[in-house]
Amino acid sequence: DAMVIQNPRYQVTQFGKPVTLSCSQTLNHNVMYWYQQKSSQAPKLLFHYYDKDFNNEADTPDNFQSRRPNTSFCFLDIRSPGLGDAAMYLCATSSGTSGRAPYEQYFGPGTRLTVT
Amino acid sequence: GQQLNQSPQSMFIQEGEDVSMNCTSSSIFNTWLWYKQDPGEGPVLLIALYKAGELTSNGRLTAQFGITRKDSFLNISASIPSDVGIYFCAGQNFGNEKLTFGTGTRLTIIP
Repeated sequence: DAMVIQNPRYQVTQFGKPVTLSCSQTLNHNVMYWYQQKSSQAPKLLFHYYDKDFNNEADTPDNFQSRRPNTSFCFLDIRSPGLGDAAMYLCATSSGTSGRAPYEQYFGPGTRLTVT
Repeated sequence: GQQLNQSPQSMFIQEGEDVSMNCTSSSIFNTWLWYKQDPGEGPVLLIALYKAGELTSNGRLTAQFGITRKDSFLNISASIPSDVGIYFCAGQNFGNEKLTFGTGTRLTIIP
């Protein structure tokens, strides 16, 4: 089945120690998104890639970076995690092509990040 | 950024009851999406609506795209235990690859 995969599902890191979360997709979608979600709040968009074009949200801290080496993979790098960065991180994709539903987003299962 | 208002914020119902929730916006959208999120999982797309006035069903779920394009409704009939979770609406406009999410409705089923 075509899907969005996130690894690991649970990640523990130490305060200030860089961490990388990964996302892969078998949907061959053009657009990939990273969201941060805290305690039952709505997901908050950090940034997204439309193909290779990177789009950062204005309020995303510089501590968060992203890489998309190819269509299938996208990474979220947190350079110096703080206690406030503990959250669920969600990856999503959308096709981005013309048609009725180019931007329906399909989410992965998420990575729960704990900062100690 | 903008968030859509969902009501109610939470619901406590008994199994078998019908559920209604809605989502309102101060601006119009061209597409409305409804997602369900289980604890510890990512949101799952339930229903997508593309046209004002559109009524779409997915099993026991029915959603409507408000005629003003500023609201949407989701109904669940004959609720079952696996309906428990948080329901998010999301609005989208043509040519914009980003979603605007609602504040969420938490559904709990009382034994």
